[in-house]
Amino acid sequence: GDSVTQMEGPVTLSEEAFLTINCTYTATGYPSLFWYVQYPGEGLQLLLKATKADDKGSNKGFEATYRKETTSFHLEKGSVQVSDSAVYFCALSIAQGGSEKLVFGKGTKLTVNP
Amino acid sequence: EAEVAQSPRYKITEKSQAVAFWCDPISGHATLYWYRQILGQGPELLVQFQDESVVDDSQLPKDRFSAERLKGVDSTLKIQPAELGDSAMYLCASRSRDRLWDTIYFGEGSWLTVV
Repeated sequence: GDSVTQMEGPVTLSEEAFLTINCTYTATGYPSLFWYVQYPGEGLQLLLKATKADDKGSNKGFEATYRKETTSFHLEKGSVQVSDSAVYFCALSIAQGGSEKLVFGKGTKLTVNP
Repeated sequence: EAEVAQSPRYKITEKSQAVAFWCDPISGHATLYWYRQILGQGPELLVQFQDESVVDDSQLPKDRFSAERLKGVDSTLKIQPAELGDSAMYLCASRSRDRLWDTIYFGEGSWLTVV
């Protein structure tokens, strides 16, 4: 079935460090790919998305490129801030029979220290 | 900005009791989802509605869980009887009908602790 695999955390970085969170997927069709962020005690917020191969999603300094050849969608940020501390979820979306649902990875907890 | 509303935010219930969660999606959103997120894991889909109809409830434990969206607007998720393993956050989400790849918006979730 469709699935998402994320690098296991937790990840701890110092402020202004470079961030990479790896994400790979398995899907039978042509999924859209997403990164969601969850701050402590809150629901999920869409961070960025890409709907086809070679698309780059970007938001708030975060970027991820849809790589069909490696079935990957790695999240990157050049300089993290303390406020980026959160749990990050990679997800894919498959449309079937006119409906669409998200399949999530297990999440990667990021802590950024001042 | 329109939001997905959920209540209650927190619920503590005893094992074998009944519990219910309510969700009001963004106005006009035809698709509504209920996800369960166990601590330390990613959300898993429980049930998906298109208007008032269930389109996917394959992962819903139907012996104890039920969900309805009678008028195609707000929705209720019920657990009866609750078990210790049901402790989790229950997330509601919605999406508009207009475009297949439109954003799915999540509520802040309802935390359930079963004791």
